[in-house]
Amino acid sequence: GQNIDQPTEMTATEGAIVQINCTYQTSGFNGLFWYQQHAGEAPTFLSYNVLDGLEEKGRFSSFLSRSKGYSYLLLKELQMKDSASYLCAVGPGFQKLVFGTGTRLLVSP
Amino acid sequence: DVKVTQSSRYLVKRTGEKVFLECVQDMDHENMFWYRQDPGLGLRLIYFSYDVKMKEKGDIPEGYSVSREKKERFSLILESASTNQTSMYLCASSSPLSGGLYNEQFFGPGTRLTVL
Repeated sequence: GQNIDQPTEMTATEGAIVQINCTYQTSGFNGLFWYQQHAGEAPTFLSYNVLDGLEEKGRFSSFLSRSKGYSYLLLKELQMKDSASYLCAVGPGFQKLVFGTGTRLLVSP
Repeated sequence: DVKVTQSSRYLVKRTGEKVFLECVQDMDHENMFWYRQDPGLGLRLIYFSYDVKMKEKGDIPEGYSVSREKKERFSLILESASTNQTSMYLCASSSPLSGGLYNEQFFGPGTRLTVL
C-alpha cells in the first residue's frame, strides 16, 4: 500500500524557521517532491529529492532519508506570503505521484 | 513556461448529467494526469495517460472515464454526475526523465465542480 503522513497544520512567526516533516511507506520509490499550494490556486513545484541528503534552494531546503522513509521541508526567514499548504508527494514508479494530505502553514506577523 | 489550462474554473451540474472537463498543455508533455482534491483527503489520482490513446487507472477511477485523442489534450468525463463528485479537479502534465526518474508535474488552475 501507499501511505504518506504529514502534519495537518503548523503555525509560525514571520522571520522564523519552520520544518515540515513527511514520512512515507510506498511500494516503490523514485523520488520525493514538495509542492506549495496557496488557497484557491494550483500546486507549484518546490523541490525534488531522489538521493539522501539536503537540497538547498534559496530560503527553502528539502532533506531525504530513504532508509527511514522520511523527508522534511525547511523554510527559513519566513514571510507572510509563505502561508500556504505544503504537499509531500512520492513517486512510486511509472511517473505517478502519491500525495500526502498536505500541511497548512500559517505565518503570523 | 509550461502552461496547463482547464476549460472552466467553476462548473455547476445536475445529478445524472454527463460532464466533460477539458485540459490542454502547450509543452508537448507525454504524461497527463487528472486528480481530485478534497479537504482532509488531499490530491487523489483519478486517471493518467502516458501517450495519445493510452490511459491508466489511478487510485479512484470509479465513476470517471478519460479520453486522449491528441497529445496536448486530456479530457475527464463523468458519465452520470453524482453529488459525491462535487470537488476540485486538477489536471497536470509532465515529461518523463530517462532512467525512470521523475520530472515535475505542472498543474492547471483547477475546476471547482458542484453537482446538485
